[in-house]
Amino acid sequence: QVQLQQSGPGLVKPSQTLSLTCTVSGDSINTGGYYWSWIRQHPGKGLEWIGYISHSGSTYYNPSLKSRVTISIDTSKNQFSLKLNSVTAADTAVYYCVRDNWVGTTNWYYFDYWGQGTLVTVSS
Amino acid sequence: DIQMTQSPYSLSASVGDRVTITCRASQRISSYLNWYQQKPGKAPKLLIYAATNLQSGVPFRFSGSGSGTDFTLAISSLQPEDFATYYCQQSYSTPRTFGQGTKVELK
Repeated sequence: QVQLQQSGPGLVKPSQTLSLTCTVSGDSINTGGYYWSWIRQHPGKGLEWIGYISHSGSTYYNPSLKSRVTISIDTSKNQFSLKLNSVTAADTAVYYCVRDNWVGTTNWYYFDYWGQGTLVTVSS
Repeated sequence: DIQMTQSPYSLSASVGDRVTITCRASQRISSYLNWYQQKPGKAPKLLIYAATNLQSGVPFRFSGSGSGTDFTLAISSLQPEDFATYYCQQSYSTPRTFGQGTKVELK
């Protein structure tokens, strides 16, 4: 069974960098056919996709956050990470790491495994 | 970006009711539409992928239909554990985008 376990601080000061890590178990992050995404949810609000990384390190970021986001992957540790810099109170949200399953024959993508979520509060 | 609009925003229903939620895309997305269920304090759970395909382990009372711009999630007979918020999401293009959610509440 695939599991995604998130780690990282729940409190970040304004203007600093939010850093979260997701450790994948039950499958190799180096397996083709998957992308590894971050999604966030502002309190009481809907879901916002932040971006993804492939096992080879290719990335795509939501243009709304692109200038501040970096997603990286460490296949030796079966982990991928999110960094969001210059945070403000507007970045306060629950952050999820997610497996984006890609079915190559049909080009379907869907988020099938989610981390437990981390509430990150931006406050001094 | 492709805008996803769900309706209704919320609905009240009773156990055993048939419930339908609609999702409209701002442009044609073929069948690249997924549905998720989220309960308070929990991560979303995949229910339906590619508009009509039931994710493994999801009860058969859930079904999805539609293509192009208009999609529907149906619950044939609402169960107590189905009271939750439901989201549609398009995977036709990046950035991936979600509907605003539909909250299903107990009448």
